[in-house]
Amino acid sequence: DIQMTQSPSALSASVGDRVTITCRASQSISSWLAWYQQKPGKAPKLLIYKASSLESGVPSRFSGSGFGTEFTLTISSLQPDDFATYYCQQYNSPVTFGQGTKLEIK
Amino acid sequence: EVQLVQSGAEVKKPGESLKISCKGSGYTFTNYWIGWVRQMPGKGLEWMGIIYPGDSDTIYSPSFQGQVTISADKSISTAYLQWSSLKASDTAMYYCARHPTGSPGWFDPWGQGTLVTVSS
Repeated sequence: DIQMTQSPSALSASVGDRVTITCRASQSISSWLAWYQQKPGKAPKLLIYKASSLESGVPSRFSGSGFGTEFTLTISSLQPDDFATYYCQQYNSPVTFGQGTKLEIK
Repeated sequence: EVQLVQSGAEVKKPGESLKISCKGSGYTFTNYWIGWVRQMPGKGLEWMGIIYPGDSDTIYSPSFQGQVTISADKSISTAYLQWSSLKASDTAMYYCARHPTGSPGWFDPWGQGTLVTVSS
C-alpha cells in the first residue's frame, strides 16, 4: 500500500498569513493527488485534483504543486473561512488518504 | 446537479447486521466508480473500497476486506455498504463519494454522511 504522510499535523496561523501543508507519498504517484477541506460535521470538499488543478468554484488563494512523492497545498492569504482540517489523497494505486492537518486560528 | 444522498443515522447493537445506502442522481450511475470512506470520531478519513455499478467490479482496502460488503443496484442508482455482524469499533461516520471520471481518482461529490452508532 502507498502511505501518505502529511505535515504538520496541526498548524496555528493568523488571518492574512501564507500557509503551506506538505504531503509525502511512500512511492511515486506521478500527479495523482487531490486535496480536500473538511469542516466539523461536514463532508470533505474537493479543492485540488491532479496535484495542481483547482476545482471549479474554489478560491484562487488555494494552490497545489508537486510531482512524484512530494506535494504541497498553499493558501496564499488565510481567510476566516479557511480554518478547517485538510487532507491529501493519492489515487495512483488505488486510494489512500493522509492523516490530516488541522489549521487553527492563532 | 450531480448528487449523492445517503440513508439516515443508525443505532445498532453489537452483533446486528446493517446495510446503509447512497443514491446517485443527476448523472449516469453505471458509468462512474463510487467509493466508501470511514471517519471514526475525531479521526481522519479512511478509504474502504470502491464499486463500479456498471458491472459491480469492486476493490476493497486490505484493511476492510472481509469486514464489509460493498454492492450496488443499478436499477435504482444506489450503492450499499453492509455489515453482517457489527462491532462497537464500527461506530463512525460513513461517507460515499463519486470518482468524477470513468476510472478511480479523486472524489467529488460526496454524500452527506451516515452516522452509525454501535452500542449495547
